[in-house]
Amino acid sequence: DIQLTQSPSSLSASVGDRVTITCQASQDISNYLNWYQQKPGKAPMLLIYDASTLKAGVPSRFSGSGSGTDFTFTISSLQPEDIATYYCQQYDNLLRTFGGGTKVEIK
Amino acid sequence: QVLLVQSGAEVKKPGSSVKVACKASGGTFSTYIVNWVRQAPGQGLEWMGRIMPRLGIPTYEQKFQGRVTITADTSTSTAYMELSSLRSEDTAVYYCAREFLEYCSSGSCYFDYWGQGTLVTVSS
Repeated sequence: DIQLTQSPSSLSASVGDRVTITCQASQDISNYLNWYQQKPGKAPMLLIYDASTLKAGVPSRFSGSGSGTDFTFTISSLQPEDIATYYCQQYDNLLRTFGGGTKVEIK
Repeated sequence: QVLLVQSGAEVKKPGSSVKVACKASGGTFSTYIVNWVRQAPGQGLEWMGRIMPRLGIPTYEQKFQGRVTITADTSTSTAYMELSSLRSEDTAVYYCAREFLEYCSSGSCYFDYWGQGTLVTVSS
């Protein structure tokens, strides 16, 4: 099975800061990677698919990049409403895998 | 507008089984791939398996092989996830989530709609 290693597991940043989360796959998954945001008590919500495509309606401060085994998720200017846990997820084959998650907090 | 509505919370004894329902509306069920994802308290997301209702063929994460059964009833647009031999570690919120068959067949798979989650508590 393909494993996803997400880092850091948590971070604290100030409003307006640039936030970067990485996700490393255990083998080449091309661009078959998605990013989700989950707020406490809620279902996850898709933000970015195919590594870098922003879902319609998602603010442009969110972005994704990468291919192969190394991927990056960025919030260009952290807002108070971005407090959440973020997950990467791969779909290289019939199976699906999530990264361990990154909890983002306001400093 | 696609909507996935799940059945209510369950409390189960160790060793028993639970069956969670996910009823779809607002779209064509045969165009869905229904996935099941669980989240233990304070933990991350864990994918369990999926089914294409059009074909009725499930795929399971190896960890759950032999304990999980995912089915779909196209007449009621409802998918089901049954987990057997429950233990305390199965206490979690269970989510259904949709992939759109047309996009996924074209190489772009993502969970665009999610159910509200069903809390399953396993306790003696």
